[in-house]
Amino acid sequence: ETGVTQSPTHLIKTRGQQVTLRCSSQSGHNTVSWYQQALGQGPQFIFQYYREEENGRGNFPPRFSGLQFPNYSSELNVNALELDDSALYLCASSSRQGGETQYFGPGTRLLVL
Amino acid sequence: SQKIEQNSEALNIQEGKTATLTCNYTNYSPAYLQWYRQDPGRGPVFLLLIRENEKEKRKERLKVTFDTTLKQSLFHITASQPADSATYLCALDRSGGSYIPTFGRGTSLIVHP
Repeated sequence: ETGVTQSPTHLIKTRGQQVTLRCSSQSGHNTVSWYQQALGQGPQFIFQYYREEENGRGNFPPRFSGLQFPNYSSELNVNALELDDSALYLCASSSRQGGETQYFGPGTRLLVL
Repeated sequence: SQKIEQNSEALNIQEGKTATLTCNYTNYSPAYLQWYRQDPGRGPVFLLLIRENEKEKRKERLKVTFDTTLKQSLFHITASQPADSATYLCALDRSGGSYIPTFGRGTSLIVHP
């Protein structure tokens, strides 16, 4: 186990709704990255937060937004949900001091109907 | 455009044999390359990291090679076991030396007893 936790584990929403996913990073880690993984695909980078500031963003629209809190936990918010947002959402924590290794949580499975 | 290519077809091998998985990339100049293991419905788990100035890395039954001229990494599992069955993802840093890896789609490995 990596020590990274995510909630909820599963979620069902309807198109147009909004969702908030949560992630608690591993102790000592100051960087959190969020990924979207569709079935049969690799994780796609959404954005990264380092010490509460956004530190890079992938090719996702602005309705995907996030936050990192002083304790380095993080939230991913998705507005105006679309059917294609159905995926496994992964959070990964890391430490600059520890290098480039990402420690992933178990993910949140989101289904948009 | 940048691409990371992993064989989309599953690799089926017999227990005890060596499994070899391939990761090819184009239009990247990665400072490092990582391999992760992912079980169904779970987050990826870090296995090995190899840097651009390293040719080979080993960890127990795992071996990774990195050829920056061919733009290819090979991932070997020797004496494979059914418990090694999983999807294996390769990841490159998003831009030279960044802390944001970009993932391939992964290759499924099935080890038959």
